[in-house]
Amino acid sequence: AQKITQTQPGMFVQEKEAVTLDCTYDTSDQSYGLFWYKQPSSGEMIFLIYQGSYDEQNATEGRYSLNFQKARKSANLVISASQLGDSAMYFCAMREGSNDYKLSFGAGTTVTVRA
Amino acid sequence: DGGITQSPKYLFRKEGQNVTLSCEQNLNHDAMYWYRQDPGQGLRLIYYSQIVNDFQKGDIAEGYSVSREKKESFPLTVTSAQKNPTAFYLCASSTGTGDYEQYFGPGTRLTVT
Repeated sequence: AQKITQTQPGMFVQEKEAVTLDCTYDTSDQSYGLFWYKQPSSGEMIFLIYQGSYDEQNATEGRYSLNFQKARKSANLVISASQLGDSAMYFCAMREGSNDYKLSFGAGTTVTVRA
Repeated sequence: DGGITQSPKYLFRKEGQNVTLSCEQNLNHDAMYWYRQDPGQGLRLIYYSQIVNDFQKGDIAEGYSVSREKKESFPLTVTSAQKNPTAFYLCASSTGTGDYEQYFGPGTRLTVT
């Protein structure tokens, strides 16, 4: 079974508008972490934001915020005030348990920002 | 500057040859990882190592081998047993404590013909 599901293969967004990228996850662990990464066309993975399963507040990092709905097992990424440089592939990932370091990644969502 | 280096960026090999991809980090991280990415897809874990001289198989370890003799280095060998070796390979590292954010290298694009 897929641990991370990203249902939007591609999205278009107008510059300066906000965009929400969906991510749902599947785990039976009580302790887990959720990550979002950005992959521009150069290929390198850039860490954006992290949410721990016990964090009560939604994580925010500049223009990025994570809409964490634990009961629904969703961890959507919101990018506000989109910029042309935000055009990239975005991946949601999960770490399960508190002692295991490895991540499971979703298939990704391609975001294209239009001027 | 601290970071992860992978070399080379592009690598071409003939079918049937083993090839070793380099990954070096100077972040003093304990844990290191190798991922494979196919076009339009997410990352899949090949091998990971949480400490020197120890490593574990990931989800798609068949046809690959690794070593971890030094903390800074985690080379990946793609053997001739790997049926579809052409892919983008990403190396990552993390502290192994706290939130375990992984830092990634620039990747190596391997083409086998």
